[in-house]
Amino acid sequence: RKEVEQDPGPFNVPEGATVAFNCTYSNSASQSFFWYRQDCRKEPKLLMSVYSSGNEDGRFTAQLNRASQYISLLIRDSKLSDSATYLCVVNQGITGGGNKLTFGTGTQLKVEL
Amino acid sequence: NAGVTQTPKFQVLKTGQSMTLQCAQDMNHEYMSWYRQDPGMGLRLIHYSVGAGITDQGEVPNGYNVSRSTTEDFPLRLLSAAPSQTSVYFCASSYLGSEYQETQYFGPGTRLLVL
Repeated sequence: RKEVEQDPGPFNVPEGATVAFNCTYSNSASQSFFWYRQDCRKEPKLLMSVYSSGNEDGRFTAQLNRASQYISLLIRDSKLSDSATYLCVVNQGITGGGNKLTFGTGTQLKVEL
Repeated sequence: NAGVTQTPKFQVLKTGQSMTLQCAQDMNHEYMSWYRQDPGMGLRLIHYSVGAGITDQGEVPNGYNVSRSTTEDFPLRLLSAAPSQTSVYFCASSYLGSEYQETQYFGPGTRLLVL
């Protein structure tokens, strides 16, 4: 089983649609959770951190369920500019500090007119 | 503030050649790391460093060496290139946060083709 699993998509949605991405992780000791966005042939960039209480940033909402080891990202009123690959990232930490980030393979989103 | 820079952007090597991928950051980050990204595999950690003079292996270290003589620089050396090392390589840096919530800043990547 992969440490971090995502549906690869692609998700093709019309502009204005609501779309949800899911991610599961296998290591229950994981410390922190993120969604990164990666545009075609570009580097990943942090979209948002994911907190146990759930968090929202404009049209984006992230949820974490530690009991089910499940992370989600909801995008409302999707825009053409949201087209990208969304990476689920889990940080297991390293003794003494530092990050052991495990990346999902990403979910591709295409927003169409 | 340039962030994380990587050179070269593209490189073609022949099997058996060696080369160094350069990575530098100007944010005074303690933590630096190298990833490779292959289709269907996600980003995989090659090596990382929590400070000058300290390096450690990640998930896929074989065939690669690193050193960290300064806070700013973290070069990745391919000792004898193999076709299996054809990939996109990303360098990343961050602060060492106690809550593991530190944002990773990625460089623009180096696309490597080994023939």
